[in-house]
Amino acid sequence: AQKVTQAQTEISVVEKEDVTLDCVYETRDTTYYLFWYKQPPSGELVFLIRRNSFDEQNEISGRYSWNFQKSTSSFNFTITASQVVDSAVYFCALSERNTNAGKSTFGDGTTLTVKP
Amino acid sequence: EAQVTQNPRYLITVTGKKLTVTCSQNMNHEYMSWYRQDPGLGLRQIYYSMNVEVTDKGDVPEGYKVSRKEKRNFPLILESPSPNQTSLYFCASSFSAGTGTKKLFFGSGTQLSVL
Repeated sequence: AQKVTQAQTEISVVEKEDVTLDCVYETRDTTYYLFWYKQPPSGELVFLIRRNSFDEQNEISGRYSWNFQKSTSSFNFTITASQVVDSAVYFCALSERNTNAGKSTFGDGTTLTVKP
Repeated sequence: EAQVTQNPRYLITVTGKKLTVTCSQNMNHEYMSWYRQDPGLGLRQIYYSMNVEVTDKGDVPEGYKVSRKEKRNFPLILESPSPNQTSLYFCASSFSAGTGTKKLFFGSGTQLSVL
């Protein structure tokens, strides 16, 4: 069975600090996909990134970066120089390719608060 | 504008009174899915549909029904709602999930309260 663990329930930082959100996953499938979604206080869910299990290259998009490490089954998300607008709940999710391709499992979410 | 539309946005009902939450997408997506969000529990998948007339259970299907008669619509049906189904519900869609779920487009959510 697939499982996603986001051990950090809440994180609070001061603006301009860097912050890393942890995500650890479990899967028996050899091919799978990992995602991060953002849910700002307004409530909508916004896609941030999708990464397949064959691609362990780290990715950077502006102030956001993702570190995928298969050896530790982790897909961590770092925000550099955080801003108040980054305050949101962040969800990590997993989807397997070969077993139950339509199922997706989300972590419990990490609530990030960025204080001015 | 490409979007997933859920209705209603808010719904208060009583135990046992059948209700339907509608979901429609205008992106010609094959894949659609329903989730519920509860505090501290993240998003849990209720049902999903890989294509028209193809539906399957997610992790928490008990007490829910779905149908996919048309590509654009994927209604969530609660035949006899109970208070433990009070939750925030999200519908989502994406391109084909045959090789794994793609980027999900979410609706705005439906806050359901069952008294």
